[in-house]
Amino acid sequence: AQSVTQLDSHVSVSEGTPVLLRCNYSSSYSPSLFWYVQHPNKGLQLLLKYTSAATLVKGINGFEAEFKKSETSFHLTKPSAHMSDAAEYFCVVSNGVAAGNKLTFGGGTRVLVKP
Amino acid sequence: GAGVSQSPRYKVAKRGQDVALRCDPISGHVSLFWYQQALGQGPEFLTYFQNEAQLDKSGLPSDRFFAERPEGSVSTLKIQRTQQEDSAVYLCASSLNRGSGNTIYFGEGSWLTVV
Repeated sequence: AQSVTQLDSHVSVSEGTPVLLRCNYSSSYSPSLFWYVQHPNKGLQLLLKYTSAATLVKGINGFEAEFKKSETSFHLTKPSAHMSDAAEYFCVVSNGVAAGNKLTFGGGTRVLVKP
Repeated sequence: GAGVSQSPRYKVAKRGQDVALRCDPISGHVSLFWYQQALGQGPEFLTYFQNEAQLDKSGLPSDRFFAERPEGSVSTLKIQRTQQEDSAVYLCASSLNRGSGNTIYFGEGSWLTVV
């Protein structure tokens, strides 16, 4: 079984300040982990993914995430928020082929960026 | 095509009406997924195809939901006798193959409202 918990349903930051979105996962296998972003009325866009290579993963638009197996965490960060970062972010776990590549989504974190 | 295409983008159905939602995956993608996203929640897995074979339909909420992919490319999600609780965004996704960590690309979704 696999599950994902996003610890904050809403995060509010000022433009230019750091962003931290917290994610903890549970998995019976060595998981693949992803962060997706969803802008209003738009599809899900992949920000980055972890697939058992380097534990620090760099993604698009300046985002990065660190896989910490001992803490079962995969937190997403960005050093300086931009207004265009306002969106909903989903942490996602997959147990890969063993589970048919089924993705399990967290509940989402809505990010508000204040000018 | 360049991305996963879904139609219709928006559908209003009267309760009890049957609906069909279409998904055109990225050309050549073997794996195809359907997810349901209720308002304010993360997407939840419905079903998974590898080519024309439906390998997992454990997420389909009732026998009113039916999905097919007869030729291994285009897929249709059919909902019979729609109910208000079926109102959601239905997301289709595809990936090149079923290898672990493969990037899964999402369409923009079909927004279903049952009145």
